[in-house]
Amino acid sequence: EVQLVESGGGLVKPGGSLRLSCAASGFTFSSYTMNWVRQAPGKGLEWVSSISSRSTYIYYADSVKGRFTISRDNAKNSLFLQMNSLRVEDTAVYYCARRHGDYLPLDYWGQGTLVTVSS
Amino acid sequence: QSVLTQPPSVSGAPGQRVTISCTGSSSNIGAGYDVHWYQQLPGTAPKLLIYGNNNRPSGVPDRFSGSKSGTSASLAISGLQAEDEADYYCQSYDSSLSGPVFGGGTKLTVL
Repeated sequence: EVQLVESGGGLVKPGGSLRLSCAASGFTFSSYTMNWVRQAPGKGLEWVSSISSRSTYIYYADSVKGRFTISRDNAKNSLFLQMNSLRVEDTAVYYCARRHGDYLPLDYWGQGTLVTVSS
Repeated sequence: QSVLTQPPSVSGAPGQRVTISCTGSSSNIGAGYDVHWYQQLPGTAPKLLIYGNNNRPSGVPDRFSGSKSGTSASLAISGLQAEDEADYYCQSYDSSLSGPVFGGGTKLTVL
C-alpha cells in the first residue's frame, strides 16, 4: 500500500525556519517525481515545489523561490522541504504527493502537516 | 488568483447531473497538456478522481467523467449522491511555470 506521511509542521514566528519531511513507503520512491503542494486555511491548492527522481530537475513556485529548498534521500525513501524566511502567508497545510512524470497526475497524497506562521 | 479558472460553487439535487468547468490558457490546457481532477472531502487530503482528461482510477464510480476541448475541460457528475459533497479541483501542467497548476476549486453542494 502506498503511504506518504508528512511531519515537521508547527508554529513558527515570521522570519523563522522549519523543515518538513515526508516518509514514503509501498512503492519504488526513487522512480517518482515528488512534490509539495500547500493549502492555506479555507483556500485552494497551490503547487510549491517539485524534485525529479534523481534530483536532477528542481522547480519552485515564484511565491517561495529563494526561500524554500526541496531535497530527497532515495536511500531513506524521504522527501524534505526546508523553509526559511517564513511569512504569515506561508501558513497552510503542506502535502507531499508523488507524480510519475511531468504531465502526469499527482496520484497519491499524504495527509498533510500544518505550518502556522504567526507572531 | 489561480492559473486555471473554476466556478466557486455548484449545486444539485440527489440523482441530478452537474458539471464543473475548468478554463486555462495556451500555456497549459491549450498547449495540449492533460487535465486531472481531484476530490477533496472535508478535512481530508485531495484524492485523484480523473486523470488524463477522461480516465478513472480504480475504484472511482463511472458516475464521474471528464472531457477536454481547446483551453477548457469539464468534470461531470451524474446520479448525484450526498457523499459527493466535496471540493473539486482541476489540474494541468504549465510550461511557463514548469510545474503543476490548479484551479481555484469548486464546492459541490448536494441539496
